[in-house]
Amino acid sequence: DAKTTQPPSMDCAEGRAANLPCNHSTISGNEYVYWYRQIHSQGPQYIIHGLKNNETNEMASLIITEDRKSSTLILPHATLRDTAVYYCIVRVGIGNEKLTFGTGTRLTIIP
Amino acid sequence: GAVVSQHPSWVICKSGTSVKIECRSLDFQATTMFWYRQFPKQSLMLMATSNEGSKATYEQGVEKDKFLINHASLTLSTLTVTSAHPEDSSFYICSARDISRGQNQPQHFGDGTRLSIL
Repeated sequence: DAKTTQPPSMDCAEGRAANLPCNHSTISGNEYVYWYRQIHSQGPQYIIHGLKNNETNEMASLIITEDRKSSTLILPHATLRDTAVYYCIVRVGIGNEKLTFGTGTRLTIIP
Repeated sequence: GAVVSQHPSWVICKSGTSVKIECRSLDFQATTMFWYRQFPKQSLMLMATSNEGSKATYEQGVEKDKFLINHASLTLSTLTVTSAHPEDSSFYICSARDISRGQNQPQHFGDGTRLSIL
């Protein structure tokens, strides 16, 4: 699976949009981009995933660049409960089910 | 949506005892489940892949005789930490996915089990 690079930490003001970048310059054509987050002392929570089109659900939006070498997770109106470590993971959708977690981005929402 | 449940959520035991952790898929069947371990301030590390009806597949460096995995049904996998020692103290997390909804479905995780060995 392709390796991802994320900033180690970010701050965002409560109520503002939080934009979390992820670089995956070696991504292959059949690899999906998945985002998870882990709130302290809990298991990771699935947020969103996509292949090449932008995606939106009730939690967030995922913007994938046209060359697919990077993506941005957008939390439109951050709340204090969004404080967590956010993981960007790239993996093949079919076949290999393993997830390889990097160090992620520690997002802190500031009141 | 897909729900994965772990039990217990927290356990403290004496060194030398064995501890069993359960992982259940509550509303779907899972032929494969995954076990991760997370030490403080570190990321999740995959320990093993649990396969229903067959032997588990362990990642390099994980002792299969130390961490026994049983996947006896399509909704239950268990991880037994045998003869646990303080260095086994960690946060253990399982995951599974509902492939009946499609092959690119995401993994869903349990809430984890915090194991403390005294």
